[in-house]
Amino acid sequence: SQQGEEDPQALSIQEGENATMNCSYKTSINNLQWYRQNSGRGLVHLILIRSNEREKHSGRLRVTLDTSKKSSSLLITASRAADTASYFCATDETGTASKLTFGTGTRLQVTL
Amino acid sequence: DAGVIQSPRHEVTEMGQEVTLRCKPISGHDYLFWYRQTMMRGLELLIYFNNNVPIDDSGMPEDRFSAKMPNASFSTLKIQPSEPRDSAVYFCASTAGAVNEQYFGPGTRLTVT
Repeated sequence: SQQGEEDPQALSIQEGENATMNCSYKTSINNLQWYRQNSGRGLVHLILIRSNEREKHSGRLRVTLDTSKKSSSLLITASRAADTASYFCATDETGTASKLTFGTGTRLQVTL
Repeated sequence: DAGVIQSPRHEVTEMGQEVTLRCKPISGHDYLFWYRQTMMRGLELLIYFNNNVPIDDSGMPEDRFSAKMPNASFSTLKIQPSEPRDSAVYFCASTAGAVNEQYFGPGTRLTVT
């Protein structure tokens, strides 16, 4: 079963706007990761945040983690058409470090 | 590095036939994962290996599915006999160490008619 549920399922914005995607999960975790998947391609790792971290940045990406609410958010600032993709969160439950469970994904469409 | 390599990229087969999917992980990576992605069920972990040893195969849907990793540079996922509901994109991924980003291959799109 899927650990993470993502919200929204689909998001359409214009280039230059910010995009925020949310992920909720069910159990205690070691880490949470975000991946991107372009249509017809494999997943590409974006960022990993550990359970004792609250916020992490990487370029135009900002990830937050609230373990008390079992939720995470991914913010993409100043979006570009090339950011059009599906975005997935993935968690590894406490005690199963290498086994990832992926969320349902958010489909992001960035238009010119 | 060429990344994770999967073959074939596309496979179309008839129900009842045997299907073998292949994966070459990134050199030096000690974990290998097989996933299946469908619209209905999303991305599911089927099985993963550590140092060529299967660690968790609880995601393998049924006995028709089997996976092997005879050495550090090669793994196969076999479906015998195949059924239309096996149609999906199958991904292989690898990583170095237990808690790290996973590197995905381009996937094999399997269609069973």
